[in-house]
Amino acid sequence: EPEVTQTPSHQVTQMGQEVILRCVPISNHLYFYWYRQILGQKVEFLVSFYNNEISEKSEIFDDQFSVERPDGSNFTLKIRSTKLEDSAMYFCASSDRLAGTGELFFGEGSRLTVL
Amino acid sequence: AQSVTQLDSQVPVFEEAPVELRCNYSSSVSVYLFWYVQYPNQGLQLLLKYLSGSTLVESINGFEAEFNKSQTSFHLRKPSVHISDTAEYFCAVSSFSSGSARQLTFGSGTQLTVLP
Repeated sequence: EPEVTQTPSHQVTQMGQEVILRCVPISNHLYFYWYRQILGQKVEFLVSFYNNEISEKSEIFDDQFSVERPDGSNFTLKIRSTKLEDSAMYFCASSDRLAGTGELFFGEGSRLTVL
Repeated sequence: AQSVTQLDSQVPVFEEAPVELRCNYSSSVSVYLFWYVQYPNQGLQLLLKYLSGSTLVESINGFEAEFNKSQTSFHLRKPSVHISDTAEYFCAVSSFSSGSARQLTFGSGTQLTVLP
């Protein structure tokens, strides 16, 4: 069964460092998303991406964040200068056509720990 | 804007007992409704969804949820739980806005703990 894969599964970094989280969405999907879950809190929407540009972003997704689809398979989330409050589980998701069923397929997440 | 409320953050229940996890939503437009499950140290997995048609939807592992438009609810139920059902359960809603990509709004989650 096709699945969304994420790397790394866990990353520890120092405050102020740049971090790149990688995702390989399901191959025929066109819409890509990043969500995050701070420990003990709800899953929050960060950004959606379609046709090589950001479709929607939340207020969390400030100038420190960026997304990119550098090739035909990867979808990355970059945090330019990490802060302690960026520590969270980051989930990548993908879905098929816009007028589809609304089902998102999630990866297993990348846990980011900022020290 | 849309929102999801899961009133119960923790639900302990004995094995083989019935359980109901509550979910209420608010939205100014039509919505799709989902329940996702997160087992310890794993990602989010879709449990079941309501898109249209029958208001009662079922999962392959015995859970069911009923969409109640008048009460804006989508409660999750199982008549007899197993130890393996111990997990965090998230209710989510998505709405379609023309020209924009779909996004989910999650509730705060309910930790279901099944006790032997």
